[in-house]
Amino acid sequence: GQNIDQPTEMTATEGAIVQINCTYQTSGFNGLFWYQQHAGEAPTFLSYNVLDGLEEKGRFSSFLSRSKGYSYLLLKELQMKDSASYLCAVRPREGNKLTFGTGTQLKVEL
Amino acid sequence: GAVVSQHPSWVICKSGTSVKIECRSLDFQATTMFWYRQFPKQSLMLMATSNEGSKATYEQGVEKDKFLINHASLTLSTLTVTSAHPEDSSFYICSAFAGDGETQYFGPGTRLLVL
Repeated sequence: GQNIDQPTEMTATEGAIVQINCTYQTSGFNGLFWYQQHAGEAPTFLSYNVLDGLEEKGRFSSFLSRSKGYSYLLLKELQMKDSASYLCAVRPREGNKLTFGTGTQLKVEL
Repeated sequence: GAVVSQHPSWVICKSGTSVKIECRSLDFQATTMFWYRQFPKQSLMLMATSNEGSKATYEQGVEKDKFLINHASLTLSTLTVTSAHPEDSSFYICSAFAGDGETQYFGPGTRLLVL
């Protein structure tokens, strides 16, 4: 099975940098997704990591360490609109059934 | 990126009625689609995997006779909530993997309220 752990809530200041961690224990692993979900809306795709290392996309970066079962999402130059829930999800070795963490609710303050 | 649509976005119905929700992949074909349910302040819970041309695969605890899934074409899956009750009120979201097989996109979701 899959067990995914991420902090429930985080608060950060506009313009700052925040790192949201995700740890997982899985019986099989074939990649990790990060999604952003605003209240009342469906999740939107942010990143997909399969190999170890850091992938950067504009203000957002995602890191993966397969040996440590660890990923993080890094948000730079925070904006108020970044206030949302951030979900990490693990893809199994076979099939496409993702297992989602409970999400980290990020609040960006002035 | 790839687009997944859902219809309707909102539905309010009386207890005991059935509600059909459509999920379409607009610019790619999806042999597999996923149906999730999300209650307020909770994470996504996978309900079932919809397979084109064959029966859906349901997660443990999800009643297949209550949540009917039909995946009749490569771009359309439907979820029918039969004999809906107030406890079925939730946010229903479908998803599909895009053609590259690496990116899963979600539909905008359908909010169901059963009175």
